[in-house]
Amino acid sequence: ETGVTQSPTHLIKTRGQQVTLRCSSQSGHNTVSWYQQALGQGPQFIFQYYREEENGRGNFPPRFSGLQFPNYSSELNVNALELDDSALYLCASSLVGGLTTDTQYFGPGTRLTVL
Amino acid sequence: GDSVTQMEGPVTLSEEAFLTINCTYTATGYPSLFWYVQYPGEGLQLLLKATKADDKGSNKGFEATYRKETTSFHLEKGSVQVSDSAVYFCALSENDYKLSFGAGTTVTVRA
Repeated sequence: ETGVTQSPTHLIKTRGQQVTLRCSSQSGHNTVSWYQQALGQGPQFIFQYYREEENGRGNFPPRFSGLQFPNYSSELNVNALELDDSALYLCASSLVGGLTTDTQYFGPGTRLTVL
Repeated sequence: GDSVTQMEGPVTLSEEAFLTINCTYTATGYPSLFWYVQYPGEGLQLLLKATKADDKGSNKGFEATYRKETTSFHLEKGSVQVSDSAVYFCALSENDYKLSFGAGTTVTVRA
């Protein structure tokens, strides 16, 4: 049990729609990262937020955006959904974010299917 | 850019067998290296890590040594159990916040 929860568990959307995925971090964790895991692949880094500011971004287009709130919850928003956005979306939280000295705790993920 | 290549699976073993999962990496600098594990129905968990060359990470009987000369971080366990059945991911980080993962190796241990 990592203490990181995600909602919803599963979601089905159609192409062109918008979606919001939610993550609740462990209390006190100031850093949240989001990853996309396509079927049969390893997770790919989307972005990281530290104290409500974007701290780094992977190779994802601007239609992927995020928010982090003071209550240790966060959101991943994806606009204009494409079929290739179908994947498991993972969030991971940590105290301050440094991977060498800190540990990221992953949530169970939200499975998004785009039809 | 940085990347990780790990042994393709699936790997099927008998209990008490020796497990090795190969992992090699490409990076411009000196990354930190990680192994994550995903048990059935659970989220990703950090298994072990090493932050500099020749460091050995270990946990739950698993070990991996950071080999700069061969750019490798192979995962080993001397005697696997059924409970070790999982998907194992090798990963690296060059900037201390972004993880780059390999494709994962599915390991099944038979009783």
